[in-house]
Amino acid sequence: DIVLTQSPALAVSLGQRATISCRASESVRSSMHWYQQKSGQQPKLLIYGASNLASGVPARFSGSGSGTDFTFTIDPVEADDIATYYCQQSRNDPLTFGSGTKLEIK
Amino acid sequence: EVQLVESGGGLVQPGASLKLSCVASGFTFSDYWMSWVRQTPGKTMEWIGDIKYDGSYTNYAPSLKNRFTISRDNAKSTLYLQMSNVRSEDTATYYCTREEWAYYGYIDYVMDAWGQGASVTVSS
Repeated sequence: DIVLTQSPALAVSLGQRATISCRASESVRSSMHWYQQKSGQQPKLLIYGASNLASGVPARFSGSGSGTDFTFTIDPVEADDIATYYCQQSRNDPLTFGSGTKLEIK
Repeated sequence: EVQLVESGGGLVQPGASLKLSCVASGFTFSDYWMSWVRQTPGKTMEWIGDIKYDGSYTNYAPSLKNRFTISRDNAKSTLYLQMSNVRSEDTATYYCTREEWAYYGYIDYVMDAWGQGASVTVSS
């Protein structure tokens, strides 16, 4: 199985940039997606195919990378962005998820 | 508006069976692959498996394929997850998701819509 490694938490000031990384144990080409999960809610797709913005998602969110190293960015961070962010790969079955990065406001 | 509504969760004893349902609306259900994903109380996300739009093919996570079965009824726009011989480690919130295809040099599938989840607790 492909293992996705994310740092557990990140604290950022409002209005600043938040950058979350996800490293895959083997290449997933561009098959990396990012989800936002707020407390008590289901995950929501934000970025698909490493860098494509999902429908209705603000342009403050972006993604980059290919192969094994991926980055998810929120710029600028707003109070509503408090959530846990998960990366997920669809290159190989079984589909796998990172352990999530909890975004906190300083 | 795309909606996925899971039901059938609850408290179940170890070794028992349970069937979850997911009713879809707001899109043509029979056009889409569908998946089940679960999230443990510790927030770990695990893909369970998926099913082709016409129900002719299913794909499972190897660790679960012997106990879990995914099916669908396109006439009822409903996705199912049959769980058998459940264990305490199956305690989780179970989400159904829609898989949308995407193309970026090759075809890929993305879970672009999620239900609100059904909570399953396995305990005696």
